[in-house]
Amino acid sequence: DIVVTQSPDSLAVSLGERATINCKSSQSVLYSSNNKNYLAWYQQKPGQPPKLLIYWASTRESGVPDRFSGSGSGTDFTLTISSLQAEDVAVYYCQQYYSMSPTFGPGTKVDIK
Amino acid sequence: QVQLQESGPGLLKPSETLSLTCTVSGGSISSYWWSWIRQPPGKGLEWIAYISYSGSTNYNPSLKSRVSISVDTSENQFSLSLTSVTAADTAVYYCARGSSSSGRHFDYWGQGILVTVS
Repeated sequence: DIVVTQSPDSLAVSLGERATINCKSSQSVLYSSNNKNYLAWYQQKPGQPPKLLIYWASTRESGVPDRFSGSGSGTDFTLTISSLQAEDVAVYYCQQYYSMSPTFGPGTKVDIK
Repeated sequence: QVQLQESGPGLLKPSETLSLTCTVSGGSISSYWWSWIRQPPGKGLEWIAYISYSGSTNYNPSLKSRVSISVDTSENQFSLSLTSVTAADTAVYYCARGSSSSGRHFDYWGQGILVTVS
């Protein structure tokens, strides 16, 4: 299995400031034949299912605000919220889908400072 | 708009079999891959299994000996069976649609159903 880790476990950011979450996979999730990174990001608010934010490491899902962006390649990835809003308080998960058995990171909780 | 709805018993005793169904509305179950994912209370997400509309399957290796997934295209439903449950299987169980571009990242989710083993 590909193990996915995230850092930090939690962070508190002031409204309007930048939030950065890191994700690392135990092996590369870059598929050489199509040059795509098989990495997605989800947002989960309390009592709700996860919501897809980013896929292919940097492609925003339709309807997702452009303050959310994804970057990285190979084994190291970042989710950035450029200007934190109150409604962004949530747990964020990265997920690899390179292997036939998808795996999720443990999550990063984002709060308002 | 595609919607997914989980159904099944919310309370099981140890050693029983968990059986859940996901009903897909607002779209066809055909041409997509469909997954079950679970989340123990206060913890992270664990993918369990997926199935294609044609019946191809894949299972989480850690659960493979106890899990079965099936699809009923005529009813636009797919189902999960997990045998010999223990307290460790207590979780919110989600059904989800695999995106058309990979099948293994998830663009639509059900609201989830809490299954307690006690």
